[in-house]
Amino acid sequence: KQEVTQIPAALSVPEGENLVLNCSFTDSAIYNLQWFRQDPGKGLTSLLLIQSSQREQTSGRLNASLDKSSGRSTLYIAASQPGDSATYLCAVTGAGSYQLTFGKGTKLSVIP
Amino acid sequence: DTAVSQTPKYLVTQMGNDKSIKCEQNLGHDTMYWYKQDSKKFLKIMFSYNNKELIINETVPNRFSPKSPDKAHLNLHINSLELGDSAVYFCASSQDNGQPQHFGDGTRLSIL
Repeated sequence: KQEVTQIPAALSVPEGENLVLNCSFTDSAIYNLQWFRQDPGKGLTSLLLIQSSQREQTSGRLNASLDKSSGRSTLYIAASQPGDSATYLCAVTGAGSYQLTFGKGTKLSVIP
Repeated sequence: DTAVSQTPKYLVTQMGNDKSIKCEQNLGHDTMYWYKQDSKKFLKIMFSYNNKELIINETVPNRFSPKSPDKAHLNLHINSLELGDSAVYFCASSQDNGQPQHFGDGTRLSIL
């Protein structure tokens, strides 16, 4: 059974800092890995999707990496802004099942 | 236009009642999903529905039944509501299995 763990559970940083969020998964048989953002009272917004054959994806100030063999992914946020404050969720799609398994998220607070 | 819309946004009802949550997507996607996010913010897949094939998560009680009148709609009907059903329920859709998922804003269900 796939398990996804995110560390830390919460993170508070001053505005302008670069930061890294971590995600690990137990079963390397994945189809892809996604990073989502969830704002309070809202649904999830997909930020980046990395296919199992890829090593990283970039979108603006966000960079996500994937090391499938070790079961790890990181989300790097450059020059953080208060608007980045949200909960960030990592999810893996199981190869074959195509079902998403989520981590519990990292709650990020960027202090002005 | 909202891509994935759920109604109602809030639902407060008494134990033992039967209720439905509606979901509609205007993205032309073939696959739709229902997720449950519990009080600890943990998101779990409940059902996925792809081209009229329903994939049931075995941990979901049979009081929960998804109904899809057409490809753009996947409603969730819940019989004999219990206190433990209190959660936020999210609908999502994707072009196909394993493709990026688009989420609705959620329905917050509270059982009195």
